[in-house]
Amino acid sequence: AQTVTQSQPEMSVQEAETVTLSCTYDTSESDYYLFWYKQPPSRQMILVIRQEAYKQQNATENRFSVNFQKAAKSFSLKISDSQLGDAAMYFCAYRSYIKDDKIIFGKGTRLHILP
Amino acid sequence: ETGVTQTPRHLVMGMTNKKSLKCEQHLGHNAMYWYKQSAKKPLELMFVYNFKEQTENNSVPSRFSPECPNSSHLFLHLHTLQPEDSALYLCASSPPPGAGANVLTFGAGSRLTVL
Repeated sequence: AQTVTQSQPEMSVQEAETVTLSCTYDTSESDYYLFWYKQPPSRQMILVIRQEAYKQQNATENRFSVNFQKAAKSFSLKISDSQLGDAAMYFCAYRSYIKDDKIIFGKGTRLHILP
Repeated sequence: ETGVTQTPRHLVMGMTNKKSLKCEQHLGHNAMYWYKQSAKKPLELMFVYNFKEQTENNSVPSRFSPECPNSSHLFLHLHTLQPEDSALYLCASSPPPGAGANVLTFGAGSRLTVL
């Protein structure tokens, strides 16, 4: 069975600085999707960024980028120029390409932004 | 507004009550999900429906009863709940395979308190 591990329960970063959130996963599949979701205090889960495993190029969305290391089964999220609105719980998620109706989430990392 | 609407947003019920949570999406998605989010626990997948057919029941107690009358609506019927069932219940939907990289779109959640 697939698993997703986020080893950092909480992190803090100074406003305007860069922070990296870690995520590792375990799977025997070769095709899959990886996601980072953000859950602010409003509790609304919002997609931050996604990566298809067959793509070698790391995904980027404005200030958010990932470091996808397929062989190491690592999928970290880098947030550049951190803003107060980035404070939230961040979840890493795995979705199988074959059994694509099952999505597995990590336990989350709570990110604090220090003014 | 993500396109996935959950009602009610807040629900307080006694252990002997019967209530229902509703989820509605008009995004053209074929799959709908119920997740349970408790404090300090990872997101727990409860049920998955794909084209109105239940494809996943993650060992959920029978006091939770899902219903999916069509691809746009999903219900979670609640009866004889326990205080430990108090949590945020998140509904999500996703498009068919190959459309939109299988991204989950979440509703804002229904906060359930069982007294």
